[in-house]
Amino acid sequence: QLQLQESGPGLVKPSETLSLSCNVSGGSISSSSYYWGWIRQPPGKGLEWIGSVNYGGSTNYNPSLKSRVTISVDTSKNHFSLKLNSVTAADTAVYYCARQGSGGRSFDYWGQGTLVTVSS
Amino acid sequence: DIQMAQSPSSVSASVGDRVTITCRASQSISSWLAWYQQEPGKAPKLLIYAASSLQSGVPSRFSGSGSGTDFTLTISSLQPEDFATYYCQQTNSFPRTFGQGTKLEIK
Repeated sequence: QLQLQESGPGLVKPSETLSLSCNVSGGSISSSSYYWGWIRQPPGKGLEWIGSVNYGGSTNYNPSLKSRVTISVDTSKNHFSLKLNSVTAADTAVYYCARQGSGGRSFDYWGQGTLVTVSS
Repeated sequence: DIQMAQSPSSVSASVGDRVTITCRASQSISSWLAWYQQEPGKAPKLLIYAASSLQSGVPSRFSGSGSGTDFTLTISSLQPEDFATYYCQQTNSFPRTFGQGTKLEIK
């Protein structure tokens, strides 16, 4: 059974960089069939797609965040990562990592999510 | 960006009721639409992909239909575990976008 698990600091100071990692177990991140994505959800609000990466490092980003976001993949460690720089309180959210399936291009496996709070 | 609009924003229903949630895209997305269920404090769960394909393990009381710009998610007979928030997502183009959500509450 495929499992995804987010990890990283739960508290980040304004203007600093948010860094999260998503460890994938029970399957290989190197499959050409999938993209691996990050989605966030501010407290009490809806879902926002941040971006996705494939095993070869090809990325797609949300234009609203593109200038601040980097998503990368490490196939040797079977994980992928998110960096969001120059954070503000508006970046406070639960951050989810997920697998984008090849069939309907939808997110079929999700991590449990990790709350990141931006505060001094 | 493609905008996704769900209606209603919230709905109250009883166990056994049939419920329909609508999602409208700002431009045609063919059948590139997914539906998710999210319980409080949990990650979203994929229910339907490609507008009408049931994800493995999802009960058959869930069904999806539509193409182009108008889509529906139907729950044929509500069960207690179905009271949650539902989101649609277009998977036609980047950036991927979600509807604002529909909260399904117990009447």
